Amino acid sequence: GQNIDQPTEMTATEGAIVQINCTYQTSGFNGLFWYQQHAGEAPTFLSYNVLDGLEEKGRFSSFLSRSKGYSYLLLKELQMKDSASYLCAVRYNYGQNFVFGPGTRLSVLP
Amino acid sequence: DVKVTQSSRYLVKRTGEKVFLECVQDMDHENMFWYRQDPGLGLRLIYFSYDVKMKEKGDIPEGYSVSREKKERFSLILESASTNQTSMYLCASRRYSGIIEQFFGPGTRLTVL
Repeated sequence: GQNIDQPTEMTATEGAIVQINCTYQTSGFNGLFWYQQHAGEAPTFLSYNVLDGLEEKGRFSSFLSRSKGYSYLLLKELQMKDSASYLCAVRYNYGQNFVFGPGTRLSVLP
Repeated sequence: DVKVTQSSRYLVKRTGEKVFLECVQDMDHENMFWYRQDPGLGLRLIYFSYDVKMKEKGDIPEGYSVSREKKERFSLILESASTNQTSMYLCASRRYSGIIEQFFGPGTRLTVL
């Protein structure tokens, strides 16, 4: 299978920085996505990486290392509203579907 | 803004009933998807469609079928609902090429008693 691994849960403090890791099988890799999903709501797109390196978008950044099969989502200046699940998804072999990881539930504490 | 809508937010059905979940998108996307989401398992693909009347099985198609008679509408059908189909069902759509961001509907929480 094409397993994607993420930590199940993380906790961080308001104002801090948190890094959510994602590892995946590299064979056939063709792009990695991060989504945010608040409880009871639909996932919303955060970022897309297909080349190695860091993509920055405001308080959120996403990093990719294709050779290592590794990505992380970095959230800076955490706010309470960042409490959500963060889903890592990989597109394989130019296919039309993505493979999703189990998601990481982030709790931001005051 | 892209909008993906699903026919119901919450649905309660009995074992053996035939269940229809409908999804409509308003951005002329070629691709549409049905996922189910369960705690600890993440999103799993049931079926997808890349064109009208075209469908492809995903990872867990057993017990489900789909219909795409019009480009904007993708229906998921549970032929005979079972308790292990209690789940959150998410529909998504995106373009075939170019920007491949996937847009999700709000989800349908289905409970089968």
